[in-house]
Amino acid sequence: GAVVSQHPSWVICKSGTSVKIECRSLDFQATTMFWYRQFPKQSLMLMATSNEGSKATYEQGVEKDKFLINHASLTLSTLTVTSAHPEDSSFYICSATDGGDGRNTIYFGEGSWLTVV
Amino acid sequence: SQQGEEDPQALSIQEGENATMNCSYKTSINNLQWYRQNSGRGLVHLILIRSNEREKHSGRLRVTLDTSKKSSSLLITASRAADTASYFCATLSGNTPLVFGKGTRLSVIA
Repeated sequence: GAVVSQHPSWVICKSGTSVKIECRSLDFQATTMFWYRQFPKQSLMLMATSNEGSKATYEQGVEKDKFLINHASLTLSTLTVTSAHPEDSSFYICSATDGGDGRNTIYFGEGSWLTVV
Repeated sequence: SQQGEEDPQALSIQEGENATMNCSYKTSINNLQWYRQNSGRGLVHLILIRSNEREKHSGRLRVTLDTSKKSSSLLITASRAADTASYFCATLSGNTPLVFGKGTRLSVIA
């Protein structure tokens, strides 16, 4: 089945630095990728929708200048947490769909744990 | 805002018993999907049921959908300790991305 790879699986960074998380679709072209954030024992909250070659659409309350999303190719989207703070510590998950009828099933990456110290 | 609401939030059963989780949603949908998440891991897609379907089976999983009540249920039969995880329902409406419920944390005790 379709595979979405997310990297890194976990990262620890110092407050004020920036961290980049990659999301790759390995065996299909992902026209759309989604970025979610999940706090412990809570549900996934959609942060933004990323379409290849265009600007991401951010959900209300998500700072676009803080969470930079780039979807430069049909197989790669990146999320950069800029000037990270401890409250940004969370589990970030990407998902991807190939669009069209394939959009009925969305494939998720394994997630990335971010700890800001 | 979240669309789906799972019930119960937590469920603890003995191995071999059946586990039933419910999900309610608010708006019309194209389909409803159930996912499983082991602690600290990504999501695994379990089953998708379209708005014109009422019931679907996959192995030990049985999903029902009642669009008149805007609800769905996930039944896991003959549960195993390995079924311990969080289960989320997610709805797809039009061109909007998946919206997840809060999840049910299932514990299966051996």
